[in-house]
This record gives sequence, C-alpha cells and structure tokens, in this order.
Amino acid sequence: SQTIHQWPATLVQPVGSPLSLECTVEGTSNPNLYWYRQAAGRGLQLLFYSVGIGQISSEVPQNLSASRPQDRQFILSSKKLLLSDSGFYLCAWTAKGGTEAFFGQGTRLTVV
Amino acid sequence: DQQVKQNSPSLSVQEGRISILNCDYTNSMFDYFLWYKKYPAEGPTFLISISSIKDKNEDGRFTVFLNKSAKHLSLHIVPSQPGDSAVYFCAASEWGTNAGKSTFGDGTTLTVKP
Repeated sequence: SQTIHQWPATLVQPVGSPLSLECTVEGTSNPNLYWYRQAAGRGLQLLFYSVGIGQISSEVPQNLSASRPQDRQFILSSKKLLLSDSGFYLCAWTAKGGTEAFFGQGTRLTVV
Repeated sequence: DQQVKQNSPSLSVQEGRISILNCDYTNSMFDYFLWYKKYPAEGPTFLISISSIKDKNEDGRFTVFLNKSAKHLSLHIVPSQPGDSAVYFCAASEWGTNAGKSTFGDGTTLTVKP
C-alpha cells in the first residue's frame, strides 16, 4: 500500500532563518507531488506541484521554493523565513490521472 | 474571487440526526467534485466524489448530491456519529485536471454531539 511521510510535525523558527520540509512517498512510482499551505480557518492553497524529477511548477509567488531530487521525494524550502510564512503545510501525492489526492500529516510552522 | 465556497464555517448536529454540508461553485468548467475530511493536526483524507454526469453518489452513510444548474453540491451524513466531528472540505476540478490541483473551499467544521 502507498504511504506518505512528512516531517517534522511541528516547527518553530525565527524570522530570517532557513526552512526545509521533507516529504516522501512509498509504494508508488512516478507520482505527482504537491505542497499546500492552509491558513487558519481557510482552505488549502496549492503552492507547488511536480509531475517528475526536477520538474516544479509554482502556483503562487512567494518566499518559498520546492525541489524534487528523487522520484518520491519532495522538499519545500526557504532561504529566509518571514512571519507571514507561518501556517500548516501539507504534502500530497496523486497518481498520474488520479481522481483523489493523498495527504501527509502536515507540518505546523510557526515563525517567531 | 473564491471559486469554491462553503458558506457555513460551522455546523452542530445531534448524534443520529442528519448532517448536511453545503458547497457552491462559480466556475462552470468544474465537473469533478470531492469531499475531504480533516481532523486537527492531520492531513485531509478523501471521503467521496462525484462527477458531473451524475447527480448523486452514495457510500455508506455518506451521500453527495450535485445540482449543476445551481452550481451547488451537498454532503449528507446519515446517521451522524461523534466520530464524524471534523472539518469537511469541498474541492472541485475540471475533468482531466489532476486531482491535486483541485480548488478547495474554506471548510465547514462539523460537531456531532452525543
């Protein structure tokens, strides 16, 4: 069966510090991968998606970047965090042509 | 402009009764709709979906109804159970668009009281 791992679960970082969130998928090959952010009381906002290694599409201009160094690994990064980067970050995968997304447990990021 | 709207931020129902969660959309190109359920500090999990060729889809206690002319869908949970207490997200996409690129509503928090 397929599983998705996302870590850490919670993170408190000072303003101006770097960020690296990692997500890995097991049990499937060549998935589409996604990073979302959920602000308090709001829906999921798609930040980045990837259809293959090294292929990243950005949906929203921001202080963040994403990379996909391996088929089942997706990384969300920032060189310098802003207070506005605080939120709940979710990684997800879909099969090619898949009709539903499978989400990780999420990372609660607080920038102080 | 929010293309998927869940106008009720919260809903409270008694155990055993029906829960009805509503969702409206504005983009007429949307033709595939999903409901996700989310517990605190967890990622959403897929619950049920419907394509525009149908007006109803059932899965156990969960039924989704689609009214294309009104651009409205609803999720019915019968009977409601305390374990159903969670945030429910409506999502929509164009057929052929990958499900991960769905547009999400802001969610409705359902509380089922014992």
